[in-house]
Amino acid sequence: DGGITQSPKYLFRKEGQNVTLSCEQNLNHDAMYWYRQDPGQGLRLIYYSQIVNDFQKGDIAEGYSVSREKKESFPLTVTSAQKNPTAFYLCASSVGVDNYGYTFGSGTRLTVV
Amino acid sequence: GENVEQHPSTLSVQEGDSAVIKCTYSDSASNYFPWYKQELGKRPQLIIDIRSNVGEKKDQRIAVTLNKTAKHFSLHITETQPEDSAVYFCAASRRAGANNLFFGTGTRLTVIP
Repeated sequence: DGGITQSPKYLFRKEGQNVTLSCEQNLNHDAMYWYRQDPGQGLRLIYYSQIVNDFQKGDIAEGYSVSREKKESFPLTVTSAQKNPTAFYLCASSVGVDNYGYTFGSGTRLTVV
Repeated sequence: GENVEQHPSTLSVQEGDSAVIKCTYSDSASNYFPWYKQELGKRPQLIIDIRSNVGEKKDQRIAVTLNKTAKHFSLHITETQPEDSAVYFCAASRRAGANNLFFGTGTRLTVIP
């Protein structure tokens, strides 16, 4: 998976439940990101983290939470407060400042049932 | 913030013909412009990028041009092949890392054999 792994590939959630998506990288990248992909809307940034123990809200952070306790891991929790959580979620990483390349994970498709 | 617009949303070409996808951006401070290719069900992958100090960059059948004055950049694919069929995303960033990578809404390219 090119050094960045997302799991699970498919996830089903009942309304009112929280669910956590995993993202792990072994690229020694400092920066990690979560994007949401909906048809016709490109990729929208949910949260990002430049270093361990630090993260910032992106454009659509409401209803989501993250943690960055380890450099390798950046899990995303989709809470019951997220009104329309069904989407394809992509995690990405980059070396950090002064390096422009993003590496994406293979994504998690979340469906609320 | 940055606003990236991408056109067309869908594009069909005959095998062997050229394909051009155009993007405009709003933030004159943006200085990095990557293009990603996403095949069905797979992760986006960087195919080419350009920085603001360069007007054109070419890699085999793929080229990107940048017009900073007009704030637009384009992806050119020559001698298209069926395996070029995918969704292509442009993006713009003020600097590396951080949260500054803003994506266009994507172009679905279909190459007809």
